[in-house]
Amino acid sequence: GAVVSQHPSWVICKSGTSVKIECRSLDFQATTMFWYRQFPKQSLMLMATSNEGSKATYEQGVEKDKFLINHASLTLSTLTVTSAHPEDSSFYICSARDGRRAYNEQFFGPGTRLTVL
Amino acid sequence: GEDVEQSLFLSVREGDSSVINCTYTDSSSTYLYWYKQEPGAGLQLLTYIFSNMDMKQDQRLTVLLNKKDKHLSLRIADTQTGDSAIYFCAESTKAAGNKLTFGGGTRVLVKP
Repeated sequence: GAVVSQHPSWVICKSGTSVKIECRSLDFQATTMFWYRQFPKQSLMLMATSNEGSKATYEQGVEKDKFLINHASLTLSTLTVTSAHPEDSSFYICSARDGRRAYNEQFFGPGTRLTVL
Repeated sequence: GEDVEQSLFLSVREGDSSVINCTYTDSSSTYLYWYKQEPGAGLQLLTYIFSNMDMKQDQRLTVLLNKKDKHLSLRIADTQTGDSAIYFCAESTKAAGNKLTFGGGTRVLVKP
């Protein structure tokens, strides 16, 4: 149990286009989902926290108009990178917290590699 | 703010024990975690320890927590080639809404 999927697993796009990444909790309801960004050989940096039905909370330095997050249901959150540029190329990972568990465990998706040409 | 640090690289021979170290600065950390990341993949939770514990053992994994020194370690017994990966320690605090703060990751290479 506690499986999180991401789609697509990789995407290549042209500069200036927008890209949507989906994060789904397959067998549990995720009251909270998190979006991380990971540069090569670096750690994960939290971008934002999203709670179902409310606006996402962005970390300092993350542009909310550039990285649009929608958490419309308890099993789906989306991250849209708007007007993507080469510097947005990165590995994007989502995680989800099962609201029924008392313990604060986050289940991670497999990641989406974005390359902007 | 919180800061979590790890050594960058560890090389170990197959069958030996590996010890990965981590230090953190936030004394109010509630949970501390060890995650494993294989190439091109997401993170897999290996184990976690609550801040009022000193040690936790789970099969080949042993976690030691020295709260006074804010030092966390992960020992992998009988290391296998499949253990080659990047290992991240992370911490969370209630005050920060239980968000995870990750260390930079330790790349473990297991040599046959």
